[in-house]
Amino acid sequence: GQQLNQSPQSMFIQEGEDVSMNCTSSSIFNTWLWYKQDPGEGPVLLIALYKAGELTSNGRLTAQFGITRKDSFLNISASIPSDVGIYFCAGPPYVQGAQKLVFGQGTRLTINP
Amino acid sequence: KAGVTQTPRYLIKTRGQQVTLSCSPISGHRSVSWYQQTPGQGLQFLFEYFSETQRNKGNFPGRFSGRQFSNSRSEMNVSTLELGDSALYLCASSRVAGALSNEQFFGPGTRLTVL
Repeated sequence: GQQLNQSPQSMFIQEGEDVSMNCTSSSIFNTWLWYKQDPGEGPVLLIALYKAGELTSNGRLTAQFGITRKDSFLNISASIPSDVGIYFCAGPPYVQGAQKLVFGQGTRLTINP
Repeated sequence: KAGVTQTPRYLIKTRGQQVTLSCSPISGHRSVSWYQQTPGQGLQFLFEYFSETQRNKGNFPGRFSGRQFSNSRSEMNVSTLELGDSALYLCASSRVAGALSNEQFFGPGTRLTVL
């Protein structure tokens, strides 16, 4: 089935550092979504991207829809303790009849104060 | 506006039992999707319901079933529980179904433990 490869799997950074993570697919996606999940909670939608090349920001978060439509990037600037959590990329594969989201394996972000 | 709610939040069952989980979507949302999340497999799609009809289904055995009511609330049932069914079960709602339902909003999940 469709798979999203998300990297890195985990990150250990100092507070204040910038963070970059990415997601790649072997097939084309028409939409890229980035979620954050805190322990014991469901994923929360951070940013949605709908067009190749699109660059969208949400506060300190910036995400980009790759021009090949097979990848996406999420950047977090000036990280703070509440950024700790697991970040997931997701999207519906561009396959006729596919109407479900596929998720990456997640990037676990740990911040050292 | 209230978010997606799921009940119960935690559940402990034994092998062979069955379980029913409930999900109430955001008001006005008509599509409900269910996901299973485990450390090994990550987030995996179970099924999607829209207007009381199952629109899409993931690769799970028939022990996993669901339904949706006229008020868009949805239930998920797992019969003959196995140890491997222990997971966080997440419900997500969206305004419409299909390709337009990309922006899904998740509930807090039900943590199921099978002993």
